[in-house]
Amino acid sequence: EPEVTQTPSHQVTQMGQEVILRCVPISNHLYFYWYRQILGQKVEFLVSFYNNEISEKSEIFDDQFSVERPDGSNFTLKIRSTKLEDSAMYFCASSELLRTTINNEQFFGPGTRLTVL
Amino acid sequence: AQKVTQAQTEISVVEKEDVTLDCVYETRDTTYYLFWYKQPPSGELVFLIRRNSFDEQNEISGRYSWNFQKSTSSFNFTITASQVVDSAVYFCALSGSSGGSYIPTFGRGTSLIVHP
Repeated sequence: EPEVTQTPSHQVTQMGQEVILRCVPISNHLYFYWYRQILGQKVEFLVSFYNNEISEKSEIFDDQFSVERPDGSNFTLKIRSTKLEDSAMYFCASSELLRTTINNEQFFGPGTRLTVL
Repeated sequence: AQKVTQAQTEISVVEKEDVTLDCVYETRDTTYYLFWYKQPPSGELVFLIRRNSFDEQNEISGRYSWNFQKSTSSFNFTITASQVVDSAVYFCALSGSSGGSYIPTFGRGTSLIVHP
C-alpha cells in the first residue's frame, strides 16, 4: 500500500542552525502539507503546496520557514534558523484530489521529531 | 472560525470496558468534514474515519463506532471491548469550506490508557 515517508525520523540540531525535513508524498498525489505538533499538544497546520506554489499557510509559517519540491518525488520543509520553540513533531501529508473535493483524504507520514538544543 | 473541543484530556479504562471519546465542534460552514485520528506511542497519525456534514448516519467498523449528532455539534467515538493496543492519543478534527479551503483544525486530543 502506498504511503507517505519522512526522513529523518529524529533530528537534533543546535539553536540557530538550518534544518531540512524531507518527505516523499504518495506518487500520484497533487497536494502536499506540513503540520506541526509540539509535544503533548494538538496538531497544527503549517502550509499547503500545490503546483509548485504555496496555496495556504498559517500564521505559524513565518519567514524562517520555506517549502520546496526540488524534484518529482521529494517535498521539503526548511527552517532557516531554528529556535528552541521549533522543537516538535513535524508531519508531512499528501492528498490526491483538489482540496475542496469531498473525498480529499490526507495521508500522513510517520513524522520527524525535531529537537532544538 | 473553526473550533474542536475534546474535553477529556485523559481516560483510563480496564481492558474489555467500553469507552467513549467526546468531540464537540464549532463552525459556521454548512459543508464540513469531521475526522478521527489515532496517534499511538510511536507517534504517527493514523486516519480512522471521515464524515461529511450531510451524512448523520452512525458508523460502525469492528469495535469502533461513531455517533454524529449535528443538533449538538458532536462527533463522539466509542471503542467497544477496549484492548491494550487501543492505548493512544485520539484526535478529532474538523475541516470546513471557509474560503474554499479544507485545512483541518485539530482538537487537543484525548489520551486513552487501557490497562490489562
